Amino acid sequence: QQQVKQSPQSLIVQKGGISIINCAYENTAFDYFPWYQQFPGKGPALLIAIRPDVSEKKEGRFTISFNKSAKQFSLHIMDSQPGDSATYFCAATLDSDDKIIFGKGTRLHILP
Amino acid sequence: DVKVTQSSRYLVKRTGEKVFLECVQDMDHENMFWYRQDPGLGLRLIYFSYDVKMKEKGDIPEGYSVSREKKERFSLILESASTNQTSMYLCASSLTGGFSNQPQHFGDGTRLSIL
Repeated sequence: QQQVKQSPQSLIVQKGGISIINCAYENTAFDYFPWYQQFPGKGPALLIAIRPDVSEKKEGRFTISFNKSAKQFSLHIMDSQPGDSATYFCAATLDSDDKIIFGKGTRLHILP
Repeated sequence: DVKVTQSSRYLVKRTGEKVFLECVQDMDHENMFWYRQDPGLGLRLIYFSYDVKMKEKGDIPEGYSVSREKKERFSLILESASTNQTSMYLCASSLTGGFSNQPQHFGDGTRLSIL
């Protein structure tokens, strides 16, 4: 009940394309869904997050889509750039909880 | 800007040694975390501390202990290092959110090799 399942494990996208990473969760009590981005040699950093009162959140080229009934959420990166090459982690938690549960990560590579 | 500093980027130790990994944060955060990162396994929580001298086991605490004597410093201790503890170790800190989850701020990691 505490898992967050993330796919794909790795992804290669052409420059200018759309990168899509999917996540699913089991605990229906979860109400906060952040995404973290990690560049090589660096620690992860919060990229964007969503709460289930909205179905979509957009920040620049990054969009989270949220489907509460399916218990799924996804990250879309529009007009993907080589600088977006990184490992992306989805996560889920209770908004009142200080700990978060991470997915296993997706290694994204954008071809120039 | 929050800064989380891990004392070593790379560390090589021998089996059976007692190993200390140190982490310091400069933003007066209540919460501090230790994770290990392994390919295909993502980020797994080892220990969590929500206040000085307070700690809580994470998902994989076996073989590890922690110490938090000061608010800004959180140490991870490998009591008797084993080869299966070769990994990337990440420290993070965050404010206590109350009713609103606060972002975790990560250090750049310590790559630990146990020979």
